[in-house]
Amino acid sequence: DTAVSQTPKYLVTQMGNDKSIKCEQNLGHDTMYWYKQDSKKFLKIMFSYNNKELIINETVPNRFSPKSPDKAHLNLHINSLELGDSAVYFCASSKASKGNTIYFGEGSWLTVV
Amino acid sequence: EDKVVQSPLSLVVHEGDTVTLNCSYEVTNFRSLLWYKQEKKAPTFLFMLTSSGIEKKSGRLSSILDKKELFSILNITATQTGDSAIYLCAQGNTGNQFYFGTGTSLTVIP
Repeated sequence: DTAVSQTPKYLVTQMGNDKSIKCEQNLGHDTMYWYKQDSKKFLKIMFSYNNKELIINETVPNRFSPKSPDKAHLNLHINSLELGDSAVYFCASSKASKGNTIYFGEGSWLTVV
Repeated sequence: EDKVVQSPLSLVVHEGDTVTLNCSYEVTNFRSLLWYKQEKKAPTFLFMLTSSGIEKKSGRLSSILDKKELFSILNITATQTGDSAIYLCAQGNTGNQFYFGTGTSLTVIP
């Protein structure tokens, strides 16, 4: 059983399109995240979300929006895709208590052409 | 936004060498310091450190945290080609946020 799963794994799309990446965790964690990893391999946090609070990295363009139908899912929707959005997007989750680590999904490779 | 700084950015060593990777972090709302290894896919967990001066060890890898000087090191002894990867350090805070450094790219050549 995959703990944190995200789909699609690979996505190639044209500029201007709208796309979504889905993420599900079966670990019973209460916090989920989206990270963007660029070509320089820097993992930058985009959003974190639990049932009570959405924390948005203020550097993230508002074309990116997280949507959480329930605590096991956090989807990422991107409007009007741009070339610079090409990156690997990692979903992750953790339990909001001391001594817990963060678990990653396998990543979604997005290429905007 | 450079909460976590890793050095060196990249490193090339020969098999059998010992390497030390560095990570410095901010003290604000500190809860834990984590190390991950990333090969071609998702980062995989190596260590979590919360207490100063207590070494964590797993095979040839070990790590220690200095909460006074706000840094951690990851040591790899007798390196092998399979150790080639990006090593990521992350600071976890009391708000359950995790901030990653830029990573150290390690290449081990035969």
